[in-house]
Amino acid sequence: DADVTQTPRNRITKTGKRIMLECSQTKGHDRMYWYRQDPGLGLRLIYYSFDVKDINKGEISDGYSVSRQAQAKFSLSLESAIPNQTALYFCATSPGGARETQYFGPGTRLLVL
Amino acid sequence: QQQVKQSPQSLIVQKGGISIINCAYENTAFDYFPWYQQFPGKGPALLIAIRPDVSEKKEGRFTISFNKSAKQFSLHIMDSQPGDSATYFCAASIGKVYKLSFGAGTTVTVRA
Repeated sequence: DADVTQTPRNRITKTGKRIMLECSQTKGHDRMYWYRQDPGLGLRLIYYSFDVKDINKGEISDGYSVSRQAQAKFSLSLESAIPNQTALYFCATSPGGARETQYFGPGTRLLVL
Repeated sequence: QQQVKQSPQSLIVQKGGISIINCAYENTAFDYFPWYQQFPGKGPALLIAIRPDVSEKKEGRFTISFNKSAKQFSLHIMDSQPGDSATYFCAASIGKVYKLSFGAGTTVTVRA
């Protein structure tokens, strides 16, 4: 969905490096989410944000941090990358209220060596 | 521990056949059950969703069946087409928080 963009699309990094994944949306949605996808585990929620001042931990927030720079931008950081953070990362947005549909970006494939 | 258990992990169906994917949950507080479809190289996209006050919802060739007492729900893809080949995720969430708990996913391959 071109309304939710993620950069970079692919990234290779080394253990111990700090890395930032960025997400931007033009949907005007207040809610944004970061998930990681691993084979056999589905998608797991890392962090979510209901607005710029409201950020919450998800299921697997250890080793990750986030920043909501604006309504449209939500970044995920790996402070010190480790190999088991190798995964496919997705950003998603939702309008909130009674409409629960989440709209996902195209994903960032991250490899930590 | 996954809150939503999904099976099978993968399935192959002939064109025109029926694909069935099952999910089970334990948390009775879940009150929203969506299915997401993901094509290779793309993010998941909402396919169809149901709330526990109905037992079935149909949209085109896709049907969700919901069994509240058994805490199970399933996706049926009727008249499966090659374009349906994708990974399907069931999910569940509670109330207004909208945090989705996903199943592990099922890769569906439709043979022409």
